[in-house]
Amino acid sequence: QSVLTQAPPVSGAPGQTVTLPCIGYNSDFGVHSAVHWYQQLPGVAPRLLIYGHTSRPSGVPDRFYGLKSGTSASLVISGLQADDAADYYCQCFDGVLGAYVFGSVTRVTVL
Amino acid sequence: QVQLQESGPGLVKPSQTLSLTCSVSGGSISSGIYYWSWIRQRPEKGPEWIGYIGYNGNTASNPSLESRATVSRDTSKNQFSLKMTSLTGADTAMYFCARSSAGWFDAFEIWGLGTMVTVSS
Repeated sequence: QSVLTQAPPVSGAPGQTVTLPCIGYNSDFGVHSAVHWYQQLPGVAPRLLIYGHTSRPSGVPDRFYGLKSGTSASLVISGLQADDAADYYCQCFDGVLGAYVFGSVTRVTVL
Repeated sequence: QVQLQESGPGLVKPSQTLSLTCSVSGGSISSGIYYWSWIRQRPEKGPEWIGYIGYNGNTASNPSLESRATVSRDTSKNQFSLKMTSLTGADTAMYFCARSSAGWFDAFEIWGLGTMVTVSS
């Protein structure tokens, strides 16, 4: 079982906004380590979407943004587009485990 | 820009040792404050961090792997490598190399394309 729990699959119509939560179960979640988000299309490597809770690498549309509150974080995708259909992972460093950890995935489907 | 490319055998027998290499182009693995990691992804599962080697040669690995994984580097070739011992079918996965840095809050900002490793007799 992952120490970062993400939501079951999410679907939305084009143009809608979806919110993908990530809940940490260790006490230092997001405290000593920032939360990051990755998008993974089928058959390719994950792509960094959000780093440091809320920052976007260049080239990532501002439709994607990150939120952080207490022991949870969220990825928000606004103005959903067809090519947003992918798997999304949160990730951080877990000080209890002594390892970088990834969430349990949320798959987004665009109707 | 910096690019990473994994290489290694596609098929390894159980109990054997896996050796993978990540070739880095567009930047030196020993300059800047970067960490060079191996990450794997089992079929239909999420990514799992294996370990890294830092710009200064320091290393760290995932305790869940119980010391089976070792990351090393060859600065003359601008490559870093993974050795994983005592393989079982559970080690069948896509293996990626990736770069992170404090400037990116330790996020894995650059990834290789990945190389598939199957453990089977």
